[in-house]
Amino acid sequence: GDSVTQMEGPVTLSEEAFLTINCTYTATGYPSLFWYVQYPGEGLQLLLKATKADDKGSNKGFEATYRKETTSFHLEKGSVQVSDSAVYFCALSDRRFSGGYNKLIFGAGTRLAVHP
Amino acid sequence: DAGVTQSPTHLIKTRGQQVTLRCSPKSGHDTVSWYQQALGQGPQFIFQYYEEEERQRGNFPDRFSGHQFPNYSSELNVNALLLGDSALYLCASSLVQGANTGELFFGEGSRLTVL
Repeated sequence: GDSVTQMEGPVTLSEEAFLTINCTYTATGYPSLFWYVQYPGEGLQLLLKATKADDKGSNKGFEATYRKETTSFHLEKGSVQVSDSAVYFCALSDRRFSGGYNKLIFGAGTRLAVHP
Repeated sequence: DAGVTQSPTHLIKTRGQQVTLRCSPKSGHDTVSWYQQALGQGPQFIFQYYEEEERQRGNFPDRFSGHQFPNYSSELNVNALLLGDSALYLCASSLVQGANTGELFFGEGSRLTVL
């Protein structure tokens, strides 16, 4: 079945460092891809998304490009801040079901800790 | 505009008991999904409700059941609790018209501990 694999954490960086969190997927067909973020004590929030190959999603300085040839959707940010400390989840939407039902398949999550 | 609200936020049960968790979707949303997030893991899809019917179901036993009410709110029921049911239960709402957008709005979750 469909699945998402993320790099294991925790990822520990100093403020203003470059961030990459790797995500690869296995899917039948052409899924939509997402990054969700979970800040401490809060629910998951959609960070960015891409719905087709070569699309780039971006938000709050984060970017990810849908690479069909490598089945990847790596998350990047040029300069992280302490406030970016959170758990990041890569996910795909199974689009085989009719009616628009949005079932998401998540990776295990990658914890990011940014120090001043 | 209220987001997704869940209750209770924390609860403790013993093995064999039953639990009911509640969810009110974001205003205007008509579809509710439930996810189980074990410690250190990503959320796992339990089931999804639209028009008061279960539309999709993940790989969870029949001990897990749900309901959606006419006002779109939803309940998750778990019977005969096992230690392994200890987890954060997340409710997410969306619009069915948002086909394939995948933009789910999540509540903060109900943390269930089974002793």
